[in-house]
Amino acid sequence: AQSVTQLGSHVSVSEGALVLLRCNYSSSVPPYLFWYVQYPNQGLQLLLKYTSAATLVKGINGFEAEFKKSETSFHLTKPSAHMSDAAEYFCAVSAKGTSGTYKYIFGTGTRLKVLA
Amino acid sequence: DTEVTQTPKHLVMGMTNKKSLKCEQHMGHRAMYWYKQKAKKPPELMFVYSYEKLSINESVPSRFSPECPNSSLLNLHLHALQPEDSALYLCASSQDLRPGYTFGSGTRLTVV
Repeated sequence: AQSVTQLGSHVSVSEGALVLLRCNYSSSVPPYLFWYVQYPNQGLQLLLKYTSAATLVKGINGFEAEFKKSETSFHLTKPSAHMSDAAEYFCAVSAKGTSGTYKYIFGTGTRLKVLA
Repeated sequence: DTEVTQTPKHLVMGMTNKKSLKCEQHMGHRAMYWYKQKAKKPPELMFVYSYEKLSINESVPSRFSPECPNSSLLNLHLHALQPEDSALYLCASSQDLRPGYTFGSGTRLTVV
């Protein structure tokens, strides 16, 4: 069975500081991994995805994530936080189940606050 | 067109009403999904349609009835809902059943 753990339900950083949002996954098969961002009263926007190609994945808005199989981690980083990065971030894992269908398992989310 | 469009954006309905949520995409995606998201929680999968056929029903109560009239359109029919059904309902689509969804911006539903 697949699962995702996001450490820290709330993270605060100063504008211009490094953003680090943590995600650990559990999967018995090679996973697909995703980071999504959600702004208030909006849907989810895909930031980046890992699909077993390069382990360092670059996404939109300057975000990137590194897949580390040995640590079962897929942490999201951005070198310099901007006020517009304040949002809810969800990590998700997806793998093929016994029925042949892929299903997302979302983490509980991390709310990022950017301080001026 | 790279969007999933959901209408209406907001809906208030009484417990005896019947209403429908609509989702449309023109990206040629053949898999479409309904998710329910309560405040401060991650989205929860409700239904999956693949090639216009219901593929997954996550044990959703029958007061929620999905419909996929064609490959571009997905509806969610609502009847006799409860206040605890108030949530953000998200539609998503993907090229096939492999992951990598495009989400719509959701319908904020309030049941009174």
